[in-house]
Amino acid sequence: QQPVQSPQAVILREGEDAVINCSSSKALYSVHWYRQKHGEAPVFLMILLKGGEQKGHEKISASFNEKKQQSSLYLTASQLSYSGTYFCGTGYSGGGADGLTFGKGTHLIIQP
Amino acid sequence: KAGVTQTPRYLIKTRGQQVTLSCSPISGHRSVSWYQQTPGQGLQFLFEYFSETQRNKGNFPGRFSGRQFSNSRSEMNVSTLELGDSALYLCASSQDRHLGGANVLTFGAGSRLTVL
Repeated sequence: QQPVQSPQAVILREGEDAVINCSSSKALYSVHWYRQKHGEAPVFLMILLKGGEQKGHEKISASFNEKKQQSSLYLTASQLSYSGTYFCGTGYSGGGADGLTFGKGTHLIIQP
Repeated sequence: KAGVTQTPRYLIKTRGQQVTLSCSPISGHRSVSWYQQTPGQGLQFLFEYFSETQRNKGNFPGRFSGRQFSNSRSEMNVSTLELGDSALYLCASSQDRHLGGANVLTFGAGSRLTVL
């Protein structure tokens, strides 16, 4: 089942913060975050495995709440280069040959 | 090292025709997944192959099929094309096959299919 991302789109000024949410109705084993710029391939940002951990790299970080089956991506002091569409991809526990299920994406526009 | 290579990058077909898309994964990656990307639906999972075996399949009709060769290269085929098949088809490879979707995917640039 496709995870739900919110918001669908957001416009920010350079330097502002953004939060993108990803919710699933099924128990999660992993959450991936990818960013896709127009006309390019999605690029991996980070992966979080169950356990409620938080990961970060410079000004981009993410959290994973296993109990709520939610993940959030935090972009701090956004830069123009952060513009693009952000996808969360979810992997499900219970074993089996699961591929990733992606949300519909969040369009992020950073204006100078 | 070389990334994921998809060919052709662009193609135009007419309804009823069939199409074959090719994907060469990163050297050493044994898992190849295919996704269909459309503006309204985002990334929709088609299928995943690992060591020449289809391990998982998304909710697409039987017109969509694929295969993987011994060198891990993969092809997908769409028969009897419909207008709604117009999309960007993305291939992604990963190194190991973990359960629960714990593999990091590296995507190719995609093959953009237009059906007229």
